[in-house]
Parts: sequence; structure tokens; C-alpha cells
Amino acid sequence: KAGVTQTPRYLIKTRGQQVTLSCSPISGHRSVSWYQQTPGQGLQFLFEYFSETQRNKGNFPGRFSGRQFSNSRSEMNVSTLELGDSALYLCASSQADAWVETQYFGPGTRLLVL
Amino acid sequence: AQKVTQAQTEISVVEKEDVTLDCVYETRDTTYYLFWYKQPPSGELVFLIRRNSFDEQNEISGRYSWNFQKSTSSFNFTITASQVVDSAVYFCALKGSNYQLIWGAGTKLIIKP
Repeated sequence: KAGVTQTPRYLIKTRGQQVTLSCSPISGHRSVSWYQQTPGQGLQFLFEYFSETQRNKGNFPGRFSGRQFSNSRSEMNVSTLELGDSALYLCASSQADAWVETQYFGPGTRLLVL
Repeated sequence: AQKVTQAQTEISVVEKEDVTLDCVYETRDTTYYLFWYKQPPSGELVFLIRRNSFDEQNEISGRYSWNFQKSTSSFNFTITASQVVDSAVYFCALKGSNYQLIWGAGTKLIIKP
């Protein structure tokens, strides 16, 4: 089985712009979660989608949003980018219930905001 | 509140030495899950093990072993006969009733040849 894929792998944006990141889960996985990783804050949970519905949300401002499509692929969007949004964004998928299922991660998208 | 503490920021050992990575957690939940992930320089988090709060049995997988002790709220990870390929950042994580993975800060493990 192919693993979790994320596109693009690298991205450079300037402050004020917006960005959309994409994640394709492992085939058969219906739950997709997003995480932000920075040197200062470490790994932080952004949100989780299951069957096209946001099921759980971390403590991030409304500039961070996401969605999931019927084929379980997910996108996350960050509007009005700030320098502090520079990070590695990781997507993880699990089969059904992210509460009990192990999450498998993609390679991440490295976002640099200038 | 839930918290995961990995007090060791960085560990450096010579190849073939045994090394233990510490993980201490805090939670008021009675049902929870503990995880270890490995993050090589490529950035992808690789799943290593999952334990639920009712299973205190230690586990061994090849050179890797895990020691889960609820009495001390610890879930330590030992690599026996370390190899250069084990060099990575290792994360311990906790999932409780808030359904979110709470991560430790990670331990950077450097294995010198």
C-alpha cells in the first residue's frame, strides 16, 4: 500500500499570502489529521477530519482551516500568512476512529514564510 | 491537563551501546494510549509502538524494547546494540479523552560510528 502523500513538499510564501496544502491518506483510511511542527512549539495538533466533517480541532486561530473530500483526501489552508507560520506541516491518516487507531504520517510540507 | 515530558533533549552514544529514552506522562484519564514515533532527517514520523493504559506488558521488537510503568507514569524506550541508522529524533505521545495526540518535545539521538 502506498503511504500518506503530501504536496507540495516545499513552499515559499510571503507574509499576507495564503497557502493550500494537500494530503492523500493511505487507501482505505478515512480519518485525516494535521499537525504543525516548529522548533519552538514542537508538534501541535491542528485538526482532524473524518467523513468530510471536522471532528476535532486544536488551539489555532481561524486563519487555519481545512476540509476533506469524499475520497478522504484533505486540504488545509492558511490565510494571511505570518512569519510564525513557517513550519513543517504533517498530515496523518488512520483507518476509522482516530481515537483508537494508530496514525500514519506523510513526509510533510515545509512552509517558509518570508 | 495532559502532558508528556521527554527530559533528554539530546543523547549521543557510540555505536553498539545500549541507550534508553525516557518518557513521563501526565493524565487524569483512566483510558489512554501511548505512542513512540521516530523522525529521521527526512521529516516523516515513523510509527514504532502503541500501548493502551490497560496493557502494562513490556514489549520487545528486535533491538527495540519498551517499558511501560503506570505506577511511575513512564513509558521508556530502549535500543539495544545501537546502530548509526537509529540516529533520529524520537517522540513520545499521549492520546487521552480529548482525542488529540499530545507530544513530548522529542529526544535527538546521535549514534556515532
